[in-house]
Amino acid sequence: DIVMTQTPLSSPVTLGQPASISCRSSQSLVHSNGNTYLSWLQQRPGQPPRVLIYKISNRFSGVPDRFSGSGAGTDFTLKISRVEAEDVGVYYCMQTTQFPLTFGGGTKVEIK
Amino acid sequence: EVHLLESGGGLVQPGGSLRLSCAASGFTFANYAMIWVRQAPGKGLEWVSAIGGRGTGTNYADSMKGRFTISRDNSKNILYLQMNSLRLEDTAVYFCARVPGIDCCGGVDVWGQGTTVTVSS
Repeated sequence: DIVMTQTPLSSPVTLGQPASISCRSSQSLVHSNGNTYLSWLQQRPGQPPRVLIYKISNRFSGVPDRFSGSGAGTDFTLKISRVEAEDVGVYYCMQTTQFPLTFGGGTKVEIK
Repeated sequence: EVHLLESGGGLVQPGGSLRLSCAASGFTFANYAMIWVRQAPGKGLEWVSAIGGRGTGTNYADSMKGRFTISRDNSKNILYLQMNSLRLEDTAVYFCARVPGIDCCGGVDVWGQGTTVTVSS
């Protein structure tokens, strides 16, 4: 199974300041078709998950451009350029390259 | 508007069974693979099962194999999860989610609101 490791566990951020979350996979997420199926999800308190980023760096419809994804192979990063109050929640990376599908343990973003 | 609505959750005793449903609307259901994901109280996300758009190509997490069965009725636009031999550790919110493609799994795009399953004596 591909293990997804996220850091940090928690990220206290000042409003308007940037935040960065790292996700490392135990093996390459490059699919045989050449795509890398790494997504970032946001889960606000009491809400279901919501897709922010798919295939490493593609923003899903309606996602603000302050969210960006980058990386390749086994190392990936989600950045929030300027944190807003509505960004509070838990962020997960998820790989869908290989079964079983697996998630990172989550990073809690909170306001200082 | 694309919409997924889960139902069927509830309280069940250990060893019991439950069938979850996920009603889809706003898109051509048969053109999309679907997955189930669960979240135990206060915990992270755990993938449960996946099924291709045609109803073939099913996959399960190891801890669910032999106990859970994923299926779909494309004529009714409904995804199912039959859960048997339920254990205390199956207590969770169960989400259905759509895969952008007829085969799994080039990502996940739309998620339902979830339905709560509580296994307790």
